[in-house]
Amino acid sequence: DQQVKQNSPSLSVQEGRISILNCDYTNSMFDYFLWYKKYPAEGPTFLISISSIKDKNEDGRFTVFLNKSAKHLSLHIVPSQPGDSAVYFCAATVGTASKLTFGTGTRLQVTL
Amino acid sequence: NAGVTQTPKFRILKIGQSMTLQCTQDMNHNYMYWYRQDPGMGLKLIYYSVGAGITDKGEVPNGYNVSRSTTEDFPLRLELAAPSQTSVYFCASSRPGLAGDEQYFGPGTRLTVT
Repeated sequence: DQQVKQNSPSLSVQEGRISILNCDYTNSMFDYFLWYKKYPAEGPTFLISISSIKDKNEDGRFTVFLNKSAKHLSLHIVPSQPGDSAVYFCAATVGTASKLTFGTGTRLQVTL
Repeated sequence: NAGVTQTPKFRILKIGQSMTLQCTQDMNHNYMYWYRQDPGMGLKLIYYSVGAGITDKGEVPNGYNVSRSTTEDFPLRLELAAPSQTSVYFCASSRPGLAGDEQYFGPGTRLTVT
């Protein structure tokens, strides 16, 4: 049972354009959501997070949107840069458990 | 700070062999975790620990054991390795007590069981 789903395995975007990565979840108990970025042969690194009491969180070029009624979140990267090419994982957790449930990831390629 | 370090980076095991994956963090984090990532899949939690002497199972604990004798170290033990344990293993740590607190990951150990 995949509680966190990233239905697009890959995405290609031109440099300077917007990248939109999507994530859906099924567990209504999830109340904190995180995005991690992963380069090959490295561990994931934290990118941005959002609490379920918010619907938007912004950090520089990165914005995460949360639609609780649809159980959907998205990560927007504007403008996209070649260095953003990586695999992006959506993750979710319940309360203070700190046990993350990860999606399967979306590989983003930013082309020149 | 070195952050989270893992050794070895790569290992090939024969079926039935045992090994210990080492993980050390220097951020004084109470919480530590072990995940595995299979090709094309997300990370799945194997075991976690909320402090020295306290460990608990995650989603996929079978075939693994852990111990946490110090805040810094959280080794993962594989007994009787099986081909299904071929994966990339990530150790992570985080600050205690905050909902959804950011986890810091090590670079991973790529394990092949043949």
